[in-house]
Amino acid sequence: GAVVSQHPSWVICKSGTSVKIECRSLDFQATTMFWYRQFPKQSLMLMATSNEGSKATYEQGVEKDKFLINHASLTLSTLTVTSAHPEDSSFYICSARVLSGGAIMGETQYFGPGTRLLVL
Amino acid sequence: GQNIDQPTEMTATEGAIVQINCTYQTSGFNGLFWYQQHAGEAPTFLSYNVLDGLEEKGRFSSFLSRSKGYSYLLLKELQMKDSASYLCAVMDSNYQLIWGAGTKLIIKP
Repeated sequence: GAVVSQHPSWVICKSGTSVKIECRSLDFQATTMFWYRQFPKQSLMLMATSNEGSKATYEQGVEKDKFLINHASLTLSTLTVTSAHPEDSSFYICSARVLSGGAIMGETQYFGPGTRLLVL
Repeated sequence: GQNIDQPTEMTATEGAIVQINCTYQTSGFNGLFWYQQHAGEAPTFLSYNVLDGLEEKGRFSSFLSRSKGYSYLLLKELQMKDSASYLCAVMDSNYQLIWGAGTKLIIKP
């Protein structure tokens, strides 16, 4: 099946530093990747939709200058949390939408394992 | 390796009961989640089980057997709005989520 990986799995950083999280589709091409954040036992909150070769679309309330998204290829999207603060500590999850034969396969999303960010 | 198995698609009738199964093999276990995802929307949290047994929450119940690596989501009194994908995810020993591919549930009148 389709596999999505994220790197790193865990990040602990000091307040004010920037953190980059990578999301890769390992065995398929994904024209669209999604970035979510999740607080414990809560629903995934969509932060932005990332399309290959174009600017990401951010959800209302998500600061685009703080959460920089780059979707440089069909298999890689990156989320950079700039000048991270303790309130940015969360579980960040990406997902990729499968493109097959020129058609989106039933809108199926494959989720990454998540990146746990702790800002001290 | 780690894997989560759940049926790809299920069909049920409005007003009926449906059970969506999930079996897992993971490196460690720190809980199992069920999410509901409507097309084009973010997954919404339904349940979290970390101990064996049945957790009931309104029309939805979730069951876990850690010894069997097995969980199910039970939906009662099905409504048309329950048509969605249901995702099973296990948190492993590194607190990472291992996701199932999701079960597409189709509700017919």
